[in-house]
Amino acid sequence: QVQLQQWGAGLLKPSETLSLTCAVYGGSFSDYYWSYIRQSPGKGLEWIGEINHSGSTTYNPSLKSRVTISVDTSKNQFSLKLRSVTAADTAVYYCARRFSLGYSHAYYFDYWGQGTLVTVSS
Amino acid sequence: QSVLTQPPSVSGAPGQRVTISCTGSSSNIGAGYDVHWYQQLPGTAPKVLIYDNNNRPSGVPDRFSGSKSGTSASLAITGLQAEDEADYFCQSYDTSLSGSVFGGGTKLTVL
Repeated sequence: QVQLQQWGAGLLKPSETLSLTCAVYGGSFSDYYWSYIRQSPGKGLEWIGEINHSGSTTYNPSLKSRVTISVDTSKNQFSLKLRSVTAADTAVYYCARRFSLGYSHAYYFDYWGQGTLVTVSS
Repeated sequence: QSVLTQPPSVSGAPGQRVTISCTGSSSNIGAGYDVHWYQQLPGTAPKVLIYDNNNRPSGVPDRFSGSKSGTSASLAITGLQAEDEADYFCQSYDTSLSGSVFGGGTKLTVL
């Protein structure tokens, strides 16, 4: 059974850097892409970006200038950093596994972490 | 504003049928990309309900079904039950983003 367990700071001040880590237990780490998705009351679900075991990344263009996703294959973990946060970045952040259906751009998210509420407030 | 548009809320009585729409554009659903649906119970992470437009993962009742046509997709729930009360999200791929896009979510209330 695949489990994703995530952690990170839940309260930040404006201009600080959000840091989250997600550990993957069970299943193959190298066969999948791993994503971060956030959910805020005003915007619903928003895909932040993804990474594979080789470190290949794709980011949402709206966040690309502030986001870095990295991977530690020795620990089956991947991490998110979002710089210069503002109140608009307040959300529940999820890590998730991207399951590919085997053809171009056909995939969904089949396993999710428990979510981390990150609040940005002065 | 979400890239995919869903109605904020729908409701139905137990046993009834409800549908939830998901409208996209020529850069996502209209470009032929698959639509997937998630159910989110309060305080939990989303769970995939329908993948690849109309397929159910193991364990999802056949009361849930999906369809896609043109730039839109729909989730249908028949024989509504109290435990179906949740938020539902659609997801697809978007060429402008080179990544996933979601709907804003629809809250289903079972009357």
